[in-house]
Amino acid sequence: AQSVTQPDIHITVSEGASLELRCNYSYGATPYLFWYVQSPGQGLQLLLKYFSGDTLVQGIKGFEAEFKRSQSSFNLRKPSVHWSDAAEYFCAVGARSGGYNKLIFGAGTRLAVHP
Amino acid sequence: DVKVTQSSRYLVKRTGEKVFLECVQDMDHENMFWYRQDPGLGLRLIYFSYDVKMKEKGDIPEGYSVSREKKERFSLILESASTNQTSMYLCASSSGGVGYNEQFFGPGTRLTVL
Repeated sequence: AQSVTQPDIHITVSEGASLELRCNYSYGATPYLFWYVQSPGQGLQLLLKYFSGDTLVQGIKGFEAEFKRSQSSFNLRKPSVHWSDAAEYFCAVGARSGGYNKLIFGAGTRLAVHP
Repeated sequence: DVKVTQSSRYLVKRTGEKVFLECVQDMDHENMFWYRQDPGLGLRLIYFSYDVKMKEKGDIPEGYSVSREKKERFSLILESASTNQTSMYLCASSSGGVGYNEQFFGPGTRLTVL
């Protein structure tokens, strides 16, 4: 069965430091991969997505992610974190079930940013 | 600007009450989804709809039903609310067609069942 694992429940970084959030997926075919961010009191917003092509994907707010098939990973990175990046981040994989497309989400990683 | 709105941000109900959560999208999207979000579990799909009057069960449909009478509106119904349905409920919509289109999310409804 398809699944998404985000190994880190909480991460704390200092403002200006680099960031990497980990995501591992389980899916038989070529995956469709997404990263969403949820700021406090908000719904989810799409940061970036990977469907095919270049394995390094650029997103909004200065984020990027790299698809590594050999490691079944799609880690999210940012070179310099801002205080406004404090939020919860969700990795998701597109899956086919019962003839329909749907998203399967990881449990999320909550990011805290120290000044 | 694309928008998904949910009828309430916070809701408090009593055990056994019938609860309606409403979701409206203004993007003319074919697909609409209801998720619940719980700490440590991420988002889990309750029900989804790919067309008016059409519904499909997601991963955790027990205790819930849905209604989609108009394209822009997707309602989640708790026939008899229970305390284990205390959660954050998120609605989303996406355009139709082949492939995985971006889902746009509403701000969520935090439901507490006492």
